[in-house]
Amino acid sequence: DQQVKQNSPSLSVQEGRISILNCDYTNSMFDYFLWYKKYPAEGPTFLISISSIKDKNEDGRFTVFLNKSAKHLSLHIVPSQPGDSAVYFCAASGGGNTGKLIFGQGTTLQVKP
Amino acid sequence: DSGVTQTPKHLITATGQRVTLRCSPRSGDLSVYWYQQSLDQGLQFLIQYYNGEERAKGNILERFSAQQFPDLHSELNLSSLELGDSALYFCASSVAHWAGANTEAFFGQGTRLTVV
Repeated sequence: DQQVKQNSPSLSVQEGRISILNCDYTNSMFDYFLWYKKYPAEGPTFLISISSIKDKNEDGRFTVFLNKSAKHLSLHIVPSQPGDSAVYFCAASGGGNTGKLIFGQGTTLQVKP
Repeated sequence: DSGVTQTPKHLITATGQRVTLRCSPRSGDLSVYWYQQSLDQGLQFLIQYYNGEERAKGNILERFSAQQFPDLHSELNLSSLELGDSALYFCASSVAHWAGANTEAFFGQGTRLTVV
């Protein structure tokens, strides 16, 4: 049962344009959501997060939007840069007494110069 | 550099063998998590330890076990290895036992296990 889904395995955008990565979840108990970026041969790196009590969180070029009624979140990168090319993972936490994360399958972003 | 150290980086072993993966968390972090990433899959949560005690368990096989030592480093033991256990194994650490603002998990570079 895939509780966190990233339905687009890959995305290609032009440098300077907006990149939008999407993520859907099924468990309404999730209360914290994160995005991680992963380069080849490296571990995932934390990018940005959002609590379920918010609908938007912004950090520089990165903005995460949360639509609880649709159980959907998205990551916007504006403007996209070639260095943003990586695999992006969406993750969710069920809260409570554990920090375990449920990850999506990842979306490979390619930003073309 | 996340501050989380995993050794070894690569491991090749035969079916039926046993291996131990090691993780040193970031200084000050009390939680250690283990995740498995198989080919083209997302990261699957295996187990969490907090300050030496098991905190949460995921879909960890009975052939796998883990522990966190008094110095907070952790080891993941994989035994009776099968071809399907070939994967990237990531360790992560965080300061708290829950997930929330300023408690994000930081990941090591992973150990690539190949079972032949």
